[in-house]
Amino acid sequence: AQKITQTQPGMFVQEKEAVTLDCTYDTSDQSYGLFWYKQPSSGEMIFLIYQGSYDEQNATEGRYSLNFQKARKSANLVISASQLGDSAMYFCAMREGFGTDKLIFGTGTRLQVFP
Amino acid sequence: DTGVSQNPRHKITKRGQNVTFRCDPISEHNRLYWYRQTLGQGPEFLTYFQNEAQLEKSRLLSDRFSAERPKGSFSTLEIQRTEQGDSAMYLCASSLGGTVWGQDTQYFGPGTRLTVL
Repeated sequence: AQKITQTQPGMFVQEKEAVTLDCTYDTSDQSYGLFWYKQPSSGEMIFLIYQGSYDEQNATEGRYSLNFQKARKSANLVISASQLGDSAMYFCAMREGFGTDKLIFGTGTRLQVFP
Repeated sequence: DTGVSQNPRHKITKRGQNVTFRCDPISEHNRLYWYRQTLGQGPEFLTYFQNEAQLEKSRLLSDRFSAERPKGSFSTLEIQRTEQGDSAMYLCASSLGGTVWGQDTQYFGPGTRLTVL
């Protein structure tokens, strides 16, 4: 079974509008961390936002917020006021449990922002 | 603050040749990670180091792959007897370590794109 599922291969959004990128995860651990990264065409993975499993508040970083619904095992990324420079691949990732530091990534969502 | 750097950025090689990639982490980071990313997929974990100790290796890391971080600073990833299936982007990341578990963010380099002919 996929640990991280991103069901939207591609999304379009108009500049200045908000967009939600979906991510669901599968783990039996109580302690885990969820991350979102942006990958422009240049290839570098850029960290955007982190949510811990015990965090009671949804994480926010500037125009990025994470809609964390623990019971549904979803961690959707919300980008407000989209900009043309937001066009990129977006990856959701999870770090599970103790004893491992590896990140498990989803297959990504390609976001295209149009004027 | 200098980010993670990787060299070379691109490598084209013939099947059967050996290749070596280098990663220089952010200077105060003691953890270093290698991932592989094929077209249309997210990165897949290969291995990671805490200082010079290699703490975890993926089953993806066959005997042809070896990684080192001899002085706890830069790391090298070597692929011996390359195969066409090794063609991918090889990403390196580093993190501070020693922070509250889960919040230890991994920062990625620009990657090395390997093409095996």
